[in-house]
Amino acid sequence: NAGVTQTPKFQVLKTGQSMTLQCAQDMNHEYMSWYRQDPGMGLRLIHYSVGAGITDQGEVPNGYNVSRSTTEDFPLRLLSAAPSQTSVYFCASIFRSEAFFGQGTRLTVV
Amino acid sequence: QQPVQSPQAVILREGEDAVINCSSSKALYSVHWYRQKHGEAPVFLMILLKGGEQKGHDKISASFNEKKQQSSLYLTASQLSYSGTYFCGTEANFGNEKLTFGTGTRLTIIP
Repeated sequence: NAGVTQTPKFQVLKTGQSMTLQCAQDMNHEYMSWYRQDPGMGLRLIHYSVGAGITDQGEVPNGYNVSRSTTEDFPLRLLSAAPSQTSVYFCASIFRSEAFFGQGTRLTVV
Repeated sequence: QQPVQSPQAVILREGEDAVINCSSSKALYSVHWYRQKHGEAPVFLMILLKGGEQKGHDKISASFNEKKQQSSLYLTASQLSYSGTYFCGTEANFGNEKLTFGTGTRLTIIP
């Protein structure tokens, strides 16, 4: 049972490039979220989804897009990367209020 | 708005006790606690629902005061394995599943 899988684990982007962070879960959970983690800021919610076809913004959505075409997958797109998006990104699926996190993607924008 | 955690960091000797506090400006339905080891993903510890219940898990327990919108995590007789960053997560409504996390408390246990 893989749980929540994120790819890639590490990524370096140049300012202005776009990319997609992948997140997949095999637990059939309806609710999924994306967080970014920065020193001293804790985990901040970027976007979340309550099921396939339904997404909504969290606390820090600017510069990011999401879609949820299937229950399993919840990709996060950076449209035009900026140095302020350098962070560690965690995807989570939530079931009965317990969050199951992926191992994270460390993104550096230069 | 993120819940506020205190202290931001604490250093303990093995065997000492610690209390980590989490405070929200909003009415809460539940409070969750997670621990994150360096370089790893956060891991669920426990959830407390409104009703002022207290929960325990080995030598780690927590309480939730819904009137004050506060929760506290108690670590007794700390072990080296307790080191890490602790986060509280809050839910405003039942079934919402929208978790808002605090800024974290870094706990270091030294032998």
